[in-house]
Amino acid sequence: SQELEQSPQSLIVQEGKNLTINCTSSKTLYGLYWYKQKYGEGLIFLMMLQKGGEEKSHEKITAKLDEKKQQSSLHITASQPSHAGIYLCGADVGTGAGSYQLTFGKGTKLSVIP
Amino acid sequence: NAGVTQTPKFRILKIGQSMTLQCAQDMNHNYMYWYRQDPGMGLKLIYYSVGAGITDKGEVPNGYNVSRSTTEDFPLRLELAAPSQTSVYFCASSYWGGQGNTEAFFGQGTRLTVV
Repeated sequence: SQELEQSPQSLIVQEGKNLTINCTSSKTLYGLYWYKQKYGEGLIFLMMLQKGGEEKSHEKITAKLDEKKQQSSLHITASQPSHAGIYLCGADVGTGAGSYQLTFGKGTKLSVIP
Repeated sequence: NAGVTQTPKFRILKIGQSMTLQCAQDMNHNYMYWYRQDPGMGLKLIYYSVGAGITDKGEVPNGYNVSRSTTEDFPLRLELAAPSQTSVYFCASSYWGGQGNTEAFFGQGTRLTVV
């Protein structure tokens, strides 16, 4: 079963606009990761969040982790065509047997219109 | 460092054929993973390994087998290929230590078509 829900599934924004992508887990989060994928290519690591309330930024992208809500958000400020792609959230989910599975959401497809 | 290396990049298989997707990492990571990505979808975990000699099933293990005889290598075996296995396959690795996990490093993917 899919344990990470991403919303929205797709997003079309005009260049210069801000946008937010959400990722919600049905299980306890031990680590939350954001990746970007260009169509047909591999995954590019963006940020990792491990502590409740943690917030990280890189250039115009900011990610926050709300541990109590088991939710993370990715915010892009003043979007550019280079931000277009698929954004994937991933999380370490405990298996109950002392190990962890790195599972992913279905992704959010972002298009930025010039 | 090479990171995570996957081979081949592309492959076409006939129904019923078998093949092995190779994955190697040179970062001394203990965790390794295999995912498949279908069009328009996220990554689904096939198998993962927490260290040499230890493997476990993910969400979609049927039709696949893995082994982890060394820390570096984590091959994925497809037996009796079926059209439903047409997908892009990604291998990844990470390091779980006392401070938790590092980010996962991904290979460039293998695009497999079963006809």
